[in-house]
Amino acid sequence: DAGVIQSPRHEVTEMGQEVTLRCKPISGHNSLFWYRQTMMRGLELLIYFNNNVPIDDSGMPEDRFSAKMPNASFSTLKIQPSEPRDSAVYFCASRDPGGTEAFFGQGTRLTVV
Amino acid sequence: AQKITQTQPGMFVQEKEAVTLDCTYDTSDPSYGLFWYKQPSSGEMIFLIYQGSYDQQNATEGRYSLNFQKARKSANLVISASQLGDSAMYFCAMREASYTGNQFYFGTGTSLTVIP
Repeated sequence: DAGVIQSPRHEVTEMGQEVTLRCKPISGHNSLFWYRQTMMRGLELLIYFNNNVPIDDSGMPEDRFSAKMPNASFSTLKIQPSEPRDSAVYFCASRDPGGTEAFFGQGTRLTVV
Repeated sequence: AQKITQTQPGMFVQEKEAVTLDCTYDTSDPSYGLFWYKQPSSGEMIFLIYQGSYDQQNATEGRYSLNFQKARKSANLVISASQLGDSAMYFCAMREASYTGNQFYFGTGTSLTVIP
């Protein structure tokens, strides 16, 4: 299996633009997590899906952030409009129903200028 | 309250020596799992070891072992015979099997540097 696949790996955008981050979980995994990592705040859980349904989105910082999981093999995290303080590494992770650990993608490094 | 606390922002260890990275956790859930992940400078998150709350024995995976002290709510990672490639950030994490789901909560991490 190719693991959790995130795209793009790097994104540089101007303040005010819309940004869409993409994630393909490992096939058969039914839990999907979006995390944001910054030096100041470490790894923050943004949102968690189980069987494509958002279970906990309490970590989503504000209404500018939205996440969807239209099917078991694809999820998006959208920021509209983006701001410089959104600059971070965004990780997607997935876990299978009988497993223990979460498997992480390579991350998307977002820079908003 | 913080779910996971890692009090050592940075640690140094001599090559071939053992090192312990501290982790304490906070939960009232009787069923939970504890994890350690490694993040090298390249940025990926690599799973190292897992301990279930009901496991009687401490988990071991090669040179990694987890010193699980349930009463003290601690889950320290022990790396034996340190290697230069062990230099990385190390994150402790917990997953609660709660009614709200199975979120993973991460600590702030410990930066480990192995000195030749």
